Amino acid sequence: GIQVEQSPPDLILQEGANSTLRCNFSDSVNNLQWFHQNPWGQLINLFYIPSGTKQNGRLSATTVATERYSLLYISSSQTTDSGVYFCAGGTSYGKLTFGQGTILTVHP
Amino acid sequence: EAEVAQSPRYKITEKSQAVAFWCDPISGHATLYWYRQILGQGPELLVQFQDESVVDDSQLPKDRFSAERLKGVDSTLKIQPAELGDSAMYLCASSLEGIQPQHFGDGTRLSIL
Repeated sequence: GIQVEQSPPDLILQEGANSTLRCNFSDSVNNLQWFHQNPWGQLINLFYIPSGTKQNGRLSATTVATERYSLLYISSSQTTDSGVYFCAGGTSYGKLTFGQGTILTVHP
Repeated sequence: EAEVAQSPRYKITEKSQAVAFWCDPISGHATLYWYRQILGQGPELLVQFQDESVVDDSQLPKDRFSAERLKGVDSTLKIQPAELGDSAMYLCASSLEGIQPQHFGDGTRLSIL
């Protein structure tokens, strides 16, 4: 099956800083999604981005499908951005394989 | 946007007992997923439904786990008998169709004593 590798595993920032999270896939995917899991355990879908670039407020994501990686950018980070960021990808009908996540801590 | 509903939020039970989780997806979503998330790891797919049919249950421990979506709407995941290693968060998600954004419920946190 597909292997998903996320980096860095942990990230500590001061409020206002920018960051880049990376996700590598062992094989091509046609379904790629980014999620944020808040400290209460809720998983929120941030982006559905099998290719190209998307932006939503302070967050943006870019997927280079031919090179099997995706990047999540967080600008002007806030304490509410803290939590775990997961990327997930797949090739078969809807099935997603998740990475191990990046734990983000934003200090005021 | 409507949410994926799950119940209960928390469940504590003893090993060898039966436990059941319920999920009601977003209205109109044909695809429903059950995931298990062990602390410190990403969610792992247990079973995927397209309407009332199982599309993928390759990671479901079928000797003790069962899942159904009889009318193609809400779904139930059951464990019988529960084991200590089943302690985890059980998450339900839905999407319009397979390769579409997945939306998650709040999950059921299961503790086996």
